[in-house]
Amino acid sequence: EPEVTQTPSHQVTQMGQEVILRCVPISNHLYFYWYRQILGQKVEFLVSFYNNEISEKSEIFDDQFSVERPDGSNFTLKIRSTKLEDSAMYFCASSPSGGRLDTQYFGPGTRLTVL
Amino acid sequence: KNEVEQSPQNLTAQEGEFITINCSYSVGISALHWLQQHPGGGIVSLFMLSSGKKKHGRLIATINIQEKHSSLHITASHPRDSAVYICAVLNYGGSQGNLIFGKGTKLSVKP
Repeated sequence: EPEVTQTPSHQVTQMGQEVILRCVPISNHLYFYWYRQILGQKVEFLVSFYNNEISEKSEIFDDQFSVERPDGSNFTLKIRSTKLEDSAMYFCASSPSGGRLDTQYFGPGTRLTVL
Repeated sequence: KNEVEQSPQNLTAQEGEFITINCSYSVGISALHWLQQHPGGGIVSLFMLSSGKKKHGRLIATINIQEKHSSLHITASHPRDSAVYICAVLNYGGSQGNLIFGKGTKLSVKP
């Protein structure tokens, strides 16, 4: 069964460094999402992406965040200058058409630790 | 203010027990999702509901739109059902994917 994959599974970085989290959505899906979950807290929406542009973003998704689909398969989340509070689990998800009744398929997550 | 509330927060059950997890929400919604988060952190989508009831194996999900309430039931629970179960809603009028998540219910099923 097709699945969403994410790399790396765990990323450790120093505060102020740039990180890029990578996701490969399911191949025929059109909508892509990033979520984050700070340890012990609920999952929060960051951004949705369709047709090579951001569809919607949350208040969390400020100027230090960016997303890109650099080729036909990868979907990346970049954090330009990491802060301690960016430490979290980051989940990528994709859905076939982005419709309100679509199921989203989640990746296994990347645990980001900022030191 | 939490737009999505789940209860209980923690639940311990004996193998074979019937389990119910509840979700209440305060916003108008287009759809409600039940998700399962494994101890390693991965998230799996269990159900997406906009009305009525859905069943998959030992799992049953129901939603009452008028009462803004959904339940997830697990029949004949098993230790492998141990996980965090998360309710998430898609706000009516919201863009695709902008899910609002509950804090989750941590289920532990003892053998």
